[in-house]
Amino acid sequence: EDQVTQSPEALRLQEGESSSLNCSYTVSGLRGLFWYRQDPGKGPEFLFTLYSAGEEKEKERLKATLTKKESFLHITAPKPEDSATYLCAVHSNTGKLIFGQGTTLQVKP
Amino acid sequence: KAGVTQTPRYLIKTRGQQVTLSCSPISGHRSVSWYQQTPGQGLQFLFEYFSETQRNKGNFPGRFSGRQFSNSRSEMNVSTLELGDSALYLCASRLTGTGDEKLFFGSGTQLSVL
Repeated sequence: EDQVTQSPEALRLQEGESSSLNCSYTVSGLRGLFWYRQDPGKGPEFLFTLYSAGEEKEKERLKATLTKKESFLHITAPKPEDSATYLCAVHSNTGKLIFGQGTTLQVKP
Repeated sequence: KAGVTQTPRYLIKTRGQQVTLSCSPISGHRSVSWYQQTPGQGLQFLFEYFSETQRNKGNFPGRFSGRQFSNSRSEMNVSTLELGDSALYLCASRLTGTGDEKLFFGSGTQLSVL
C-alpha cells in the first residue's frame, strides 16, 4: 500500500537556525513528489516538484532533495515568516496523490 | 489570473442534513480534485474530475459525491451528514496535458456538523 510519512510532526527553531524536514515514502511507482506549504486557514501552496532520485530544487531559503526512499526539505537560516505547515505528497502509478501528515514549523524571532 | 474559488467559506449543519460545496477552478484548468482535511487524518483524496467525468476516487463512502460542469466548475455533495464529516474541504485544480501534476488549492470550506 502506498504510504507517506513525515517527520518530525512539529519543529521549533530560532530565527537563523537551519534544519531539515523529512518525508519517507513507499509507493508503487513514483510519478512525482511534491512539497506544499500551508498557512492557517488557507489551502496548501505549491513549492516544489521532484521526479527522480538525485534531483534538487531551490527557492529562497528552501531546498528540496529526493532519494529513492525519501525527500528532505532543508530550511537555511529560517525567518519567522517561514512558520507554516509543510506537506509532502506523492503521486504514484495509481494516479492518486497521497499526502503525509505534515510538519508544523514554528520559527521564533 | 484568479485563483481557485470555493464557496461557501464556512458552513454549519446538523446530523442527517446534506450539503453542497462549490469550486471554480483557475481559468483553463480542466481537472478538479477534492480533498478532506482533518487534524487526525490529514489531507485525504476524495475524487478527481476531468471533462465532466470522474477520473479517480478515494476511499470514502457513497454519501460523498461530486460532479463537474462543462465550464469545469465542480460541486461536491455530502448526504446524511455525520459528526465525523466535520472537516476542511479543499478543492484543487491543475493544468492537464503538460506533464506537470502540481495542484492549485482554494482556501477551502470549513464544515461543522453539530
